[in-house]
Order: sequence, then C-alpha cells, then structure tokens
Amino acid sequence: DAKTTQPNSMESNEEEPVHLPCNHSTISGTDYIHWYRQLPSQGPEYVIHGLTSNVNNRMASLAIAEDRKSSTLILHRATLRDAAVYYCILSNFGNEKLTFGTGTRLTIIP
Amino acid sequence: NAGVTQTPKFQVLKTGQSMTLQCAQDMNHNSMYWYRQDPGMGLRLIYYSASEGTTDKGEVPNGYNVSRLNKREFSLRLESAAPSQTSVYFCASTRGGSGANVLTFGAGSRLTVL
Repeated sequence: DAKTTQPNSMESNEEEPVHLPCNHSTISGTDYIHWYRQLPSQGPEYVIHGLTSNVNNRMASLAIAEDRKSSTLILHRATLRDAAVYYCILSNFGNEKLTFGTGTRLTIIP
Repeated sequence: NAGVTQTPKFQVLKTGQSMTLQCAQDMNHNSMYWYRQDPGMGLRLIYYSASEGTTDKGEVPNGYNVSRLNKREFSLRLESAAPSQTSVYFCASTRGGSGANVLTFGAGSRLTVL
C-alpha cells in the first residue's frame, strides 16, 4: 500500500499563506492524492483532491510535484478557523482500504 | 441531507460488556468504513466494506466485529469491551470504484470503557 509522510506539526501566522507538505514517494500512476482536515472535536472533512494537475477550490489549492512523489496543500490566507489536523491520503480504483497517517497539526497564531 | 449518521454519540461501558455502534448513510455509497481515534492520535482503520455483502479487516481489527446489514448500514460490535477500546469511533462512506471519490464522515461516537 502506498503511504504518505507528513510533518507532525506546523505553525503559521493568521492571514498569511500556509504550505502543508506531503511525501508519497511510492505513489502509483493511478493513485489520487486527497486531503482531509479535522477541526477540534469534529469528524474529518474533505478539502481537495487531485491526480496530476494542480487543483483549486474555495477552501484551498493543491500543488502536485511533476514526479507526483510529493504534494502541497496551500491555504492562501490562514484564519483561526483553519487550525486543525490535516491528513494527506492516497486513493486508487480497486483498493478500497483507505488508511490515514497521523497528519499535520496546524496551529494558527493570532 | 443527513449524510452519515452514527448512533449513539456517547456511551459508557463496563469492562466485559458488549455493544454495537450503528452507522447509516443516505448517499447510495458502496463503500463504508469504521475508524478509531485515540486522544491526540490519527485515524486507524478497523474494518471496511467495499460493497454490500463484503467486509475486510483494516489495521486494528482485533476485538471488533462488523456487519454490512444492507447498502445503507454498517455496524461495529464490541463483544467484550476493554479499557483499551476507549476511543472516538468514526464511520465513513464513499461511492467507491474510483480513486477520485471522496470520503464523507459521521460526527463520531465517543466510547468510554471503565
């Protein structure tokens, strides 16, 4: 199973951009990269996903390296409400066993 | 839209007691999952069901059983609860069949075993 590696924690100042990295060196050509976040005392929620090209949505942007062995979740202007644990996982057709790592705990400094 | 509904939200058990956590989704999803999350830790997969009628072990299946009752419902049973099973349990579902499909999570069930 392809696995991901993320830093345990990161800090960022409010209203500044945040770049959350994820390494997935054993990714296969058909693995999608997904990001979820978990706000305090809540269930995880979907943030964004992509396959090869960079992706943007109302919550964030996803930058995928050309060799796809790493990706970066970008929060363009962090707010206190973005303080959460962010998880990067891989998902592939035919492999429904979706596992999460420990994620990155993001702290926003006012 | 209800999404993924888990019951109960809170439960306190004594060691050795049994209980079932219920999960239902109304999104016509094929795949369903049970995760546990210990304090300050990440999510660990207990069991999953890729489709109605199938179940498979995840990373930490010992001490648990599951039933995929129908396409909507996926239950998690603790036959003889132990303090080590004190955790928050999350159910999730996805359409499955494609890496592009996303997971939808329930709000969680907080279980304490004394």
